[in-house]
Amino acid sequence: GENVEQHPSTLSVQEGDSAVIKCTYSDSASNYFPWYKQELGKRPQLIIDIRSNVGEKKDQRIAVTLNKTAKHFSLHITETQPEDSAVYFCAASKKGNSGYSTLTFGKGTMLLVSP
Amino acid sequence: NAGVMQNPRHLVRRRGQEARLRCSPMKGHSHVYWYRQLPEEGLKFMVYLQKENIIDESGMPKERFSAEFPKEGPSILRIQQVVRGDSAAYFCASSPPTAGAYEQYFGPGTRLTVT
Repeated sequence: GENVEQHPSTLSVQEGDSAVIKCTYSDSASNYFPWYKQELGKRPQLIIDIRSNVGEKKDQRIAVTLNKTAKHFSLHITETQPEDSAVYFCAASKKGNSGYSTLTFGKGTMLLVSP
Repeated sequence: NAGVMQNPRHLVRRRGQEARLRCSPMKGHSHVYWYRQLPEEGLKFMVYLQKENIIDESGMPKERFSAEFPKEGPSILRIQQVVRGDSAAYFCASSPPTAGAYEQYFGPGTRLTVT
């Protein structure tokens, strides 16, 4: 089955700095890579995703890049703000024969943005 | 459009009791996924259901755990004879029935504590 590794497990940055979180996956058939943000005690919220037919996607201060050859993808947050502090999870999935996709998650990165 | 609803939000059970967790998907969504999150861990897939059908239960323990998604009403994850190791946050997610939809939207979770 799919295996997703995520690094680093914790990341501390100063407000205004950039933050980068990296994930690798094992199943070359995976074709969908979402990123979720989870604040303490809250639900995971989808913040950005990318499909395997593109190499980069950007939404304001966040961007995701995908390298299918190397089987890794990264989340980039620019101009970080204290409210970006949360645990970020990457995930990978592929459509099954029935047309559904189950997500395999990384273990998460705790991002702390200091003012 | 209400999001994914889960209840109860917190559930305390003594060892040996039964836990019943409910999930109502977003309006228009007919696919439900259950995930378990242990403290400081990522989310682990348990089961995927459509109305009246279990499609994939590969992540669910073989004993004591069951899930259903009846024609009417919420999806239910049932844990019989709970043990301390069942203490975790249980999240459900839903996605629309369209073939191209990969996105999963999470509910607020049920935090189960077994004493």
